[in-house]
Amino acid sequence: EVQLVESGGALVQPGGSLRLSCVASEFIFDSHWMAWVRQAPGKGLEWVANINEDGTERNYVDSVKGRFTISRDKAKNSLSLQMNSLRAEDTAVYYCATKPRPGLGHDYWGQGTLVTVSS
Amino acid sequence: IQLTQSPSSLSASVGDRVTITCRASQDVSSSLAWYQQKPGKAPKLLIYVASTLQSGVPPRFSGSRSGTDFTLTISSLQPEDIATYYCQQLHMYPITFGPGTKVDIK
Repeated sequence: EVQLVESGGALVQPGGSLRLSCVASEFIFDSHWMAWVRQAPGKGLEWVANINEDGTERNYVDSVKGRFTISRDKAKNSLSLQMNSLRAEDTAVYYCATKPRPGLGHDYWGQGTLVTVSS
Repeated sequence: IQLTQSPSSLSASVGDRVTITCRASQDVSSSLAWYQQKPGKAPKLLIYVASTLQSGVPPRFSGSRSGTDFTLTISSLQPEDIATYYCQQLHMYPITFGPGTKVDIK
C-alpha cells in the first residue's frame, strides 16, 4: 500500500520559517515526481511546487518563489518544503502528492499538515 | 493558464446524469486531470489525460475533451459522490486548478 505521511505543520508568526516533511513508500519515491499542494481554509486547491525523480528539476508557483525550497532525500524516502518569510496568506493545509511523470495527474496524496501563520 | 469551472455548485437527484465543465484559457493539450475531494479529506484522482479513468474509480465517471473545453460526467449520481470536484492542468507551469464545483443531493 502506498503511503505518504506529512509532518511539520505548526503555528508560526509572520516572517518566520517552517520545514515540512513527507515520507513516502520507497517504490513510489524512486519513480515519481513529488509535489506540494496547499488549501487555505474554506478555499480551493493551489499547486505550490514540484521536483523530479532525481532532484534536478524544481518548479514553483510565483507567490512562493524565493521564499520556499522543495527538496528530496533518496536515502530517507523523504520530501521537504523549507518555508521562509511566511505570510498570513500561506496559512493552509499542505498536502504532499506524487505523479508518475509530467502531464499526468497526482495519483497519491498524504493526509495533509496544517500551517497557520499568525501573530 | 486560467481554468474556469461551471457550474460552481449543483444539486441533483440520485441516479441523475451530472456534467461539470472546465474551460482552459489556452491550449493545455490533453494534460488535464479531475479530482474529487470530500470534506476533511485529501483530493482523489478520478481522470487523467482528459479521459483516462484512474484505477479503482467507478466507471460511472468519465471525461472528455473538445479543444480547450473539458467535461467530467457522472452517469448516475450516487450518494457517495457528494463532494467538490476540481480540474487541473499539467501542461504548463505553474500547474493550476479550477475553482471547484460542489455537488450535493437534491
